[in-house]
Amino acid sequence: EDQVTQSPEALRLQEGESSSLNCSYTVSGLRGLFWYRQDPGKGPEFLFTLYSAGEEKEKERLKATLTKKESFLHITAPKPEDSATYLCAAMDTGRRALTFGSGTRLQVQP
Amino acid sequence: DTGVSQNPRHKITKRGQNVTFRCDPISEHNRLYWYRQTLGQGPEFLTYFQNEAQLEKSRLLSDRFSAERPKGSFSTLEIQRTEQGDSAMYLCASSPFLGQAATGELFFGEGSRLTVL
Repeated sequence: EDQVTQSPEALRLQEGESSSLNCSYTVSGLRGLFWYRQDPGKGPEFLFTLYSAGEEKEKERLKATLTKKESFLHITAPKPEDSATYLCAAMDTGRRALTFGSGTRLQVQP
Repeated sequence: DTGVSQNPRHKITKRGQNVTFRCDPISEHNRLYWYRQTLGQGPEFLTYFQNEAQLEKSRLLSDRFSAERPKGSFSTLEIQRTEQGDSAMYLCASSPFLGQAATGELFFGEGSRLTVL
């Protein structure tokens, strides 16, 4: 069964304090690994797709990387507006459904 | 507004009642998904349509749940004989069809929150 585990569950950073979020996944074959951002009371918003180990994607202060068993979301010099829940999801080959992790709740204090 | 629209946004019902949620996807998107999310958890897959065909259903989906997508446009999710454990946010998402491409870029609506008393 597909499984996605995220850590830490919650993370509190000071503005400008860089850190990384972890996502470990177990699927029979990885079709894609996806990162989403979710603000309270809203639906998730797509951030990145990663397809193969070694791939990296960047967007503003965020950079996502992928290995054969894990993905990391690196946040460089975060700002308070980066506060949100970050969700990781995996898509298994032969399926179209995403399996989501429980998310990391990030709070960036000014 | 060209995003995914869900109605109603909030629904409070008594245990045993039936409820129906509606989702209007982005107009050119062929694929439509329903997910359920409880507090502190990630979205949990329920079912997926490509056009009007329901191609995948979660094994966890009770037979009290049924979804339709007539004519490949809007979709409805009905829950019969609701239970307190059905209380959750029901999220709809859509995506364009890109052949066999692994498009996990889903466009989510803001969800329909169900509270079962």
